[in-house]
Amino acid sequence: DVKVTQSSRYLVKRTGEKVFLECVQDMDHENMFWYRQDPGLGLRLIYFSYDVKMKEKGDIPEGYSVSREKKERFSLILESASTNQTSMYLCASSLPGTHSYEQYFGPGTRLTVT
Amino acid sequence: DQQVKQNSPSLSVQEGRISILNCDYTNSMFDYFLWYKKYPAEGPTFLISISSIKDKNEDGRFTVFLNKSAKHLSLHIVPSQPGDSAVYFCAASMINAGGTSYGKLTFGQGTILTVHP
Repeated sequence: DVKVTQSSRYLVKRTGEKVFLECVQDMDHENMFWYRQDPGLGLRLIYFSYDVKMKEKGDIPEGYSVSREKKERFSLILESASTNQTSMYLCASSLPGTHSYEQYFGPGTRLTVT
Repeated sequence: DQQVKQNSPSLSVQEGRISILNCDYTNSMFDYFLWYKKYPAEGPTFLISISSIKDKNEDGRFTVFLNKSAKHLSLHIVPSQPGDSAVYFCAASMINAGGTSYGKLTFGQGTILTVHP
């Protein structure tokens, strides 16, 4: 069974703080993704990575950065948290290849920025 | 610009009846479509998928239909059960110009399905 774990289920941070969200997968997947889920907007891709140290911007990268130093770990960084970054953050991973569409998700981190 | 749209925010169905969830897309380059199911406080889980070369894929109680000319897909659940109550997301992917996709998915807004006993 693929397992994707996220470091926290719930997180409360103050405006301006630097926030780290960690994601670890145990299936040796090349591809990893960070999404945020907001009511009425579905899942929106923030960043993804297709290999160690490789990253690509998704649809809404502003205010975020990522780090992938090891294959199994993909970190999302909020450089200076703002209230509009209050959201559910979901990490996912998938197999490599040109048709690696099925993504496996972690349980999510509910982040509140006050 | 929302390339994948689920225009019904919610759907309520009686147990045993059919649930039909709809999804429309605008980008004709999408070549693979997936449905995910999400319970509260859990991550989405993969349900069923369909390639653009097919028009139907069935897996137990779940069937996905694809109408490429209308850029429309639907998920049918028969018979619906109370445990099917969840948020359902459709998603789409495409091969990019370089011949790879890195598995990027574009998701719809989601439809909340409630199945009443």
